[in-house]
Amino acid sequence: DAKTTQPPSMDCAEGRAANLPCNHSTISGNEYVYWYRQIHSQGPQYIIHGLKNNETNEMASLIITEDRKSSTLILPHATLRDTAVYYCIVRRNSGTYKYIFGTGTRLKVLA
Amino acid sequence: DARVTQTPRHKVTEMGQEVTMRCQPILGHNTVFWYRQTMMQGLELLAYFRNRAPLDDSGMPKDRFSAEMPDATLATLKIQPSEPRDSAVYFCASGLAQGQGPPGELFFGEGSRLTVL
Repeated sequence: DAKTTQPPSMDCAEGRAANLPCNHSTISGNEYVYWYRQIHSQGPQYIIHGLKNNETNEMASLIITEDRKSSTLILPHATLRDTAVYYCIVRRNSGTYKYIFGTGTRLKVLA
Repeated sequence: DARVTQTPRHKVTEMGQEVTMRCQPILGHNTVFWYRQTMMQGLELLAYFRNRAPLDDSGMPKDRFSAEMPDATLATLKIQPSEPRDSAVYFCASGLAQGQGPPGELFFGEGSRLTVL
């Protein structure tokens, strides 16, 4: 599975959009981009995933560049409860289904 | 509301003791993952199963750790003997692997916090 690179930390003002970048320059054609977050000491929680097209759900939007080498997770109106560590993961749709978490981005939403 | 259930939530034990952590995956899920999380190492994948068969346990210290799935509703992670460096939060996660399309999201339990004195 392709390796991902994320900034270690980011701050965002409450009510503003939080844009979390992820670089996955070695991604291959059958690999999906997944985002999870981990709030304090809870288990990680799935947010969204995509292959090529941009995706949106009730939690967030995922923007994947045309060359698929990077993506951005967007929380449109960040709240204090969105303070968490956000993980970007690349996984293929076949094979071993291994899920490897990197170090993620620690997002702090400021009041 | 389907969820992954882990027991115990907290465990304090002394060095050398055996520790068993249990996980009940979501009904119908066919993959189970065990992770260990510490401040220093982050989330480490220890082992995972598909259809109850172990696919990879290369992340586990083989001499003291063992992971099994006696049936589809129970996964266990055992440490014998435990050491202070095993102190961590252990997460279990389950998911549905269908062989095509997106790999499927993982659902995590609340974790088992282990302290080895």
